[in-house]
Amino acid sequence: KQEVTQIPAALSVPEGENLVLNCSFTDSAIYNLQWFRQDPGKGLTSLLLIQSSQREQTSGRLNASLDKSSGRSTLYIAASQPGDSATYLCAVRRDDMRFGAGTRLTVKP
Amino acid sequence: DTAVSQTPKYLVTQMGNDKSIKCEQNLGHDTMYWYKQDSKKFLKIMFSYNNKELIINETVPNRFSPKSPDKAHLNLHINSLELGDSAVYFCASSHGDRGNTEAFFGQGTRLTVV
Repeated sequence: KQEVTQIPAALSVPEGENLVLNCSFTDSAIYNLQWFRQDPGKGLTSLLLIQSSQREQTSGRLNASLDKSSGRSTLYIAASQPGDSATYLCAVRRDDMRFGAGTRLTVKP
Repeated sequence: DTAVSQTPKYLVTQMGNDKSIKCEQNLGHDTMYWYKQDSKKFLKIMFSYNNKELIINETVPNRFSPKSPDKAHLNLHINSLELGDSAVYFCASSHGDRGNTEAFFGQGTRLTVV
C-alpha cells in the first residue's frame, strides 16, 4: 500500500525567504503527483500537477520537482509572503489518490 | 460554475441517526473519491469509484455506504452515526487513468455528531 510522508510537519519563516517542502512515497508506480494548498476551514486548492514522465513543473513562485525512481518530490516556494501561510499537501495517484499529512507553513511579516 | 459540489456544507445530527452527503461533479471525470479529514487534519481515503464501480474500499465501517447513480454523482450514506464519525468529509474527482489531469475537490462537509 502506498505510503506518503511529508517533512517538515510545520515550518515558520520570515517573509521573503525561499523554502522547500518535501514529499516522499513508497511505490513509484504512479500516474502523477499533485501539490495542494489548504487554508484553515477550507477545501483543497490545486497548485501543481507533475505527471510521472515529468521532472518538474512551475507556476509563478512555485516550482515542484519529481524524482519518481527515488520516490521524492519537492515544492520550492520563492520569496515567501504572509499570504502563503497554509497547509501544503502532496498526493500521489494511481488506482487511488493518497495524501501525506501535510506541512503547515507560517510566513511571518 | 462549481466543478465539484457537495451538499450540505454543515451537518449536525444526533448519535444513531442516518444521514447522507451528496457529491456532484461537472468535469466529465470518470473517477470519484470520498475522504475523511479528522481533527488532526489527515486526509484518509475512504472510497474510490471508477465508472460507477467501486475500486477502493479502505477499512471503513460498513455503516458507510457509497452510492454512485451515474458517473457524475457519488453520494455517501452513513447509518447509525457515532461520535467518532465527526469530521470533515471531502469528495473529489479525476480522470482515473490519465496522468495529465488534475484532481479537484469539493469544499467539504463538516459533520458533527452530538
